[in-house]
Amino acid sequence: QITLKESGPTLVKPTQTLTLTCTFSGFSLSTGGVGVGWIRQPPGKALEWLALLYWDDDKRYSPSLKSRVTITKDTSKNQVVLTMTNMDPVDTATYYCAKRRTRFGEYHVWGQGTLVTVSS
Amino acid sequence: SYVLTQPPSVSVAPGKTASITCGGNNIGSKSVHWYQQKPGQAPVLVMYFDSDRPSGIPERFSGSSSRNTATLTISRVEAGDEADYYCQVWDSSSDLFGGGTKLTVL
Repeated sequence: QITLKESGPTLVKPTQTLTLTCTFSGFSLSTGGVGVGWIRQPPGKALEWLALLYWDDDKRYSPSLKSRVTITKDTSKNQVVLTMTNMDPVDTATYYCAKRRTRFGEYHVWGQGTLVTVSS
Repeated sequence: SYVLTQPPSVSVAPGKTASITCGGNNIGSKSVHWYQQKPGQAPVLVMYFDSDRPSGIPERFSGSSSRNTATLTISRVEAGDEADYYCQVWDSSSDLFGGGTKLTVL
């Protein structure tokens, strides 16, 4: 059974850096084709893709957030980490991580999401 | 940059057919994936690579894509199908989601 779970702070202050961890089980990020992505959703709004990391350490970022976002992995811990700098209240959202099984494919399993609020 | 356009809302009576569209320039040349999201829950994959249905998704769900429009069709709509639906594509080394469509079952 494949599971993913997001963890990190629920509240961050403006200008701070957010670090979220996606801890997964049931698959290996060493397996060819596999990727883990981050997607967020502001309250009442649509999904927004942030970043994606593949088994071969290939990384892709949203063009609009590329300067603020970094994605890394710790294969031994089955974790993928997202950092986002210079947080602003508009970054308040539920942040999801999700597994991708092929390079250009779908996100077939999602974590439950974690709500991050940006406020002073 | 590439844009995916979905109607904000679609309404359908129980037992009827709902069609949710996702418009994009030459979207027929891309692979389209669809997600269902109910209030307070994470998205769930309901269709991938245009018309492949994941295990556990009812046969009432089907997908198609041509030229500039991809469509998720839900036949014999049930109350439990009421949710937000999002399309997703890969374009120019980035993932992109549509703005979402709220399906209301009357």
